[in-house]
Amino acid sequence: AQRVTQPEKLLSVFKGAPVELKCNYSYSGSPELFWYVQYSRQRLQLLLRHISRESIKGFTADLNKGETSFHLKKPFAQEEDSAMYYCALSGLGNTGKLIFGQGTTLQVKP
Amino acid sequence: EAGVAQSPRYKIIEKRQSVAFWCNPISGHATLYWYQQILGQGPKLLIQFQNNGVVDDSQLPKDRFSAERLKGVDSTLKIQPAKLEDSAVYLCASSHLREIKVFFGQGTRLTVV
Repeated sequence: AQRVTQPEKLLSVFKGAPVELKCNYSYSGSPELFWYVQYSRQRLQLLLRHISRESIKGFTADLNKGETSFHLKKPFAQEEDSAMYYCALSGLGNTGKLIFGQGTTLQVKP
Repeated sequence: EAGVAQSPRYKIIEKRQSVAFWCNPISGHATLYWYQQILGQGPKLLIQFQNNGVVDDSQLPKDRFSAERLKGVDSTLKIQPAKLEDSAVYLCASSHLREIKVFFGQGTRLTVV
């Protein structure tokens, strides 16, 4: 079964603390993995994707095929990082057909 | 660039009534998606269009949901008749053909009472 699991509904950290949002997936084949973010009163938007291996707003995510994980990390959280984060996957060649996890709310306290 | 436009933003209807949502994708985007997001869950794809043809509608409850994309631009999603469990945010999204980045609209929040 194709599935994305985000085990934490809420992650609360203090400003400056490290952040790790967990994501595990189940997929038969070679998936593409993404992190999407939704800030308060804004649209869902792409944060980063595993293929590009980029760092966006200080966030990075590494695909671990052995553990079928794609955790999102940031060494020092900022208050503006507070948002809902969704991990998602798609099959190669159809990256708009996304399977989303349940989402994790990140709350960064001052 | 202008974003994906959706209307209405909010809709409240009684069960067994019908409702329609409208989406205008970003200009030039050949691929259009409708997602359903139930409270507390991630979005779930209902249907994917490429130009005016359906690519995937495997998760669309076809007994009550229908969607069309005439002329390969705007799209409408209809529910008839609505059930309580259809209460959700309906998200429209679009992308260039074979483009990785998908752009989402603000969504229509449907409440069925």
